[in-house]
Amino acid sequence: GAVVSQHPSRVICKSGTSVKIECRSLDFQATTMFWYRQFPKQSLMLMATSNEGSKATYEQGVEKDKFLINHASLTLSTLTVTSAHPEDSSFYICSVGVSRGYTFGSGTRLTVV
Amino acid sequence: QKEVEQDPGPLSVPEGAIVSLNCTYSNSAFQYFMWYRQYSRKGPELLMYTYSSGNKEDGRFTAQVDKSSKYISLFIRDSQPSDSATYLCAMSQKNSGGSNYKLTFGKGTLLTVNP
Repeated sequence: GAVVSQHPSRVICKSGTSVKIECRSLDFQATTMFWYRQFPKQSLMLMATSNEGSKATYEQGVEKDKFLINHASLTLSTLTVTSAHPEDSSFYICSVGVSRGYTFGSGTRLTVV
Repeated sequence: QKEVEQDPGPLSVPEGAIVSLNCTYSNSAFQYFMWYRQYSRKGPELLMYTYSSGNKEDGRFTAQVDKSSKYISLFIRDSQPSDSATYLCAMSQKNSGGSNYKLTFGKGTLLTVNP
């Protein structure tokens, strides 16, 4: 499977600021990457599908203006949480893969204070 | 009814026990079935992947799919303390655009294997 690197692993930011999370596919040209959010003791919920060179596809209920996704190359997708609020505090995870055996990044723990 | 149901546990077993983890699903469109292991504060790691009814074995792990009953299981033999983690079932189907496969996860079962 693919090797996925996600950075940073932890970030604490002030309410109202923006935070950028990077997801890199190290050995796989990923035309598509996926962004998930996981709240404590909850499952992973798909937020959006990141498409290289085109707009991301957001799941119902996810604000596209708040969670900005950029997939400028086949190896890098970024998720920017804009004007973060405490309720955005969560574990954000990216993944790559096709049809099966998705590989996940190590996740980013975001805490908004 | 949620698309994927998984008992969150927690499940505590002694070392060496056989562990059985289960998920049920309601969406007949699911084509691929996976089990992931997630350690605390880490991303999920793929353990098993199957696409047809029946059993698939890999070392101490056996994945079982029963499409007629919409039921999947993961069995862990000779469980070890290092197996202590959250186990997530996941299922995929093509998304509405038809170009990608969308994963739907169960809530995860927290397993503790005691030495």
